[in-house]
Amino acid sequence: QKEVEQNSGPLSVPEGAIASLNCTYSDRGSQSFFWYRQYSGKSPELIMSIYSNGDKEDGRFTAQLNKASQYVSLLIRDSQPSDSATYLCAVPYSGGGADGLTFGKGTHLIIQP
Amino acid sequence: SQTIHQWPATLVQPVGSPLSLECTVEGTSNPNLYWYRQAAGRGLQLLFYSVGIGQISSEVPQNLSASRPQDRQFILSSKKLLLSDSGFYLCAWSAAGNTEAFFGQGTRLTVV
Repeated sequence: QKEVEQNSGPLSVPEGAIASLNCTYSDRGSQSFFWYRQYSGKSPELIMSIYSNGDKEDGRFTAQLNKASQYVSLLIRDSQPSDSATYLCAVPYSGGGADGLTFGKGTHLIIQP
Repeated sequence: SQTIHQWPATLVQPVGSPLSLECTVEGTSNPNLYWYRQAAGRGLQLLFYSVGIGQISSEVPQNLSASRPQDRQFILSSKKLLLSDSGFYLCAWSAAGNTEAFFGQGTRLTVV
């Protein structure tokens, strides 16, 4: 059974600062990693995918992957109040991905104006 | 572009009543389809997945069932709801051979 661990928070970050969200996973064979953002009462929205070691940047978001340490992180630069949400880390149950994703319980991020 | 529709958005049902939630995907063919549940204070739990018409795999034994009568239609059902079935039900799809999954708007079910 694959496990994905996240600190539940809340993580409080002042507006304009960098928010750093962390995730560890149990299966060393995992190849795909995803970050979802979920606003209260809404469904999860895919914001980042990363497949290779290193950094991947998309606008204010940067995903970082370290397969040797089984660690994936999400950095949010210039944090805005609209970034306040729960961030979910996910990996596929299997390499093909057809059998779905296993999710961490999420980190609740609060951006303080 | 692809879109996923899920309805209803909210539902209040008495214990012992039946359930039918429907999900459809537009703009893609032969998608992988999923039902997840998110209970209060808990993470997302995969309930069912389907790689094709009539092909259903269950991840968690329960009183729920799923069906896929058409390529882009996925239905979650129950004959008799339990209080413990309350939660946020989410349909999702991914392209065949791809691991990225996209969610519908969700149905918040309250069993009373």
